[in-house]
Amino acid sequence: QQPVQSPQAVILREGEDAVINCSSSKALYSVHWYRQKHGEAPVFLMILLKGGEQKGHEKISASFNEKKQQSSLYLTASQLSYSGTYFCGTAGGYRDDKIIFGKGTRLHILP
Amino acid sequence: NAGVTQTPKFRILKIGQSMTLQCTQDMNHNYMYWYRQDPGMGLKLIYYSVGAGITDKGEVPNGYNVSRSTTEDFPLRLELAAPSQTSVYFCASSPGGDTQYFGPGTRLTVL
Repeated sequence: QQPVQSPQAVILREGEDAVINCSSSKALYSVHWYRQKHGEAPVFLMILLKGGEQKGHEKISASFNEKKQQSSLYLTASQLSYSGTYFCGTAGGYRDDKIIFGKGTRLHILP
Repeated sequence: NAGVTQTPKFRILKIGQSMTLQCTQDMNHNYMYWYRQDPGMGLKLIYYSVGAGITDKGEVPNGYNVSRSTTEDFPLRLELAAPSQTSVYFCASSPGGDTQYFGPGTRLTVL
């Protein structure tokens, strides 16, 4: 089942913070975050695993609440290069070979 | 390494025509995926493969077929193209269900 992302879109000024949320109606094993710039392919940012192990991008952080089946991506002191569409993808189990992506959150950073 | 390559970049088909979208990766990844991306709808998984000779359906497999005879190649076949298949198609590969590396995409229009 497709995860739900919020907000759908956000506009910030450079230096401001943003939070993007991802929630699922089913139990999750992992949450994957990707960023896609206009006209380009999605690029991996971060993966969060059940049990708290986290990998990913050095300047963007994320949390994973397994009980609430939610994840949040935090972008602090946003830069112009952060503009793009952010997708979360979810997998339900360790042996789940595929991830299901949300519809995305469009982020636009103004100078 | 070229990573994941897709051909063609653009294609216009007439209703009822068939075509094959090519995808090749040179990272020796076992996992490969096909997604379609419609405006505002995120990435929808069409088919995926966990190794040569093994394929499985994703969220939206109808109207498509795949094969995986080698580790490197994962072609997507469209039979009897319909306007509803107008989309951007992305191929991705992964070493083990973790980070996915996306190709540049194929923009397909069916008229």
